[in-house]
Amino acid sequence: DAKTTQPPSMDCAEGRAANLPCNHSTISGNEYVYWYRQIHSQGPQYIIHGLKNNETNEMASLIITEDRKSSTLILPHATLRDTAVYYCIVRVEGRDDKIIFGKGTRLHILP
Amino acid sequence: DAGVIQSPRHEVTEMGQEVTLRCKPISGHDYLFWYRQTMMRGLELLIYFNNNVPIDDSGMPEDRFSAKMPNASFSTLKIQPSEPRDSAVYFCASGHATGTAQPQHFGDGTRLSIL
Repeated sequence: DAKTTQPPSMDCAEGRAANLPCNHSTISGNEYVYWYRQIHSQGPQYIIHGLKNNETNEMASLIITEDRKSSTLILPHATLRDTAVYYCIVRVEGRDDKIIFGKGTRLHILP
Repeated sequence: DAGVIQSPRHEVTEMGQEVTLRCKPISGHDYLFWYRQTMMRGLELLIYFNNNVPIDDSGMPEDRFSAKMPNASFSTLKIQPSEPRDSAVYFCASGHATGTAQPQHFGDGTRLSIL
């Protein structure tokens, strides 16, 4: 079972910031938070990941709460091409490198 | 850099036939993963390899499914005999070693239809 909880769907107006929440209340100290997205008919695409500190790259920002029990992915200026299913994932504890995908959040960017 | 390459992109075949899906991981990656995606079950991990050795095949649905990785640059997922319920999109992904928190990189998938 996935170790994260996400809303099933969200809408965002084009040009606005899209803020996608994720709860991971049982996260362990050495587990990272990853975000992937899947655009229709394509394979999942890595977006960003973090452990404790906030992270930013050319695609998005990741804000992790101080207690690490939740995080928010921010797409600063959403475009129609950002319409996708967004997956928040906590890497399974242990030496394995499995990723278990949940149902994700279906983000609709509205023109 | 070339990403993960899967072939074929689409496969349509009749039930009972053998199906072979192929994957070329990103050069230098030592992990390879096979996933299956359906509307009902979402994205499921079937099996993964580390340094060409199968580590966890607990997601393989049954004995009709088998996967091999004969070398670092090639893997196959085989279904024999195929059944209509095997229809899905099959993704291959590759990544670096655990401990570096490196992400997985996915191919574009093979859309499989069993008639």
